[in-house]
Amino acid sequence: EADIYQTPRYLVIGTGKKITLECSQTMGHDKMYWYQQDPGMELHLIHYSYGVNSTEKGDLSSESTVSRIRTEHFPLTLESARPSHTSQYLCASSEYSLTDTQYFGPGTRLTVL
Amino acid sequence: RKEVEQDPGPFNVPEGATVAFNCTYSNSASQSFFWYRQDCRKEPKLLMSVYSSGNEDGRFTAQLNRASQYISLLIRDSKLSDSATYLCVVNIPADYKLSFGAGTTVTVRA
Repeated sequence: EADIYQTPRYLVIGTGKKITLECSQTMGHDKMYWYQQDPGMELHLIHYSYGVNSTEKGDLSSESTVSRIRTEHFPLTLESARPSHTSQYLCASSEYSLTDTQYFGPGTRLTVL
Repeated sequence: RKEVEQDPGPFNVPEGATVAFNCTYSNSASQSFFWYRQDCRKEPKLLMSVYSSGNEDGRFTAQLNRASQYISLLIRDSKLSDSATYLCVVNIPADYKLSFGAGTTVTVRA
């Protein structure tokens, strides 16, 4: 089992609120990722990080931001949530490279009313 | 054109049957290939990496065909617990990242 954790698992929040989705891993992996996935649809990479102080935008444009101050922690923030942000957000990490096996956290299911 | 394409299915098969499906990829320079399994409303989990010579893990066999740019997954003696969506994953050399297919849904019935 992968040691990668996400909180909260479920979040229902009103429009305009600021939210932070937490992701942490205890495997010492340098590479970390955030994906967005709607029900029955494919995963879309929205952010990734090579390591501490590194953040990059993914393939899908997202209004969210990320930070990587510590190796084990990769939080995602939405400054002002909107209904269009309703989705599942999955965090992942990999050990050696960006094309290495990725291990996923359980996801955060976000609903913005 | 998508970088990774999969037949979405669903493949509905009886218990004990063999089911096989493919995934095609567009970049001939891709070097890393994986099959992930994703249960409904859960996170993807690595099922197996796919090696050039093909590889087997219990009832699951993966094959790589570089000439035709596809990978396949075969499940023998299907179990009810094999019901899931199977994601094909391929590296994109230019971007140094992985690209996930939309998945093939398999439903095994009693």
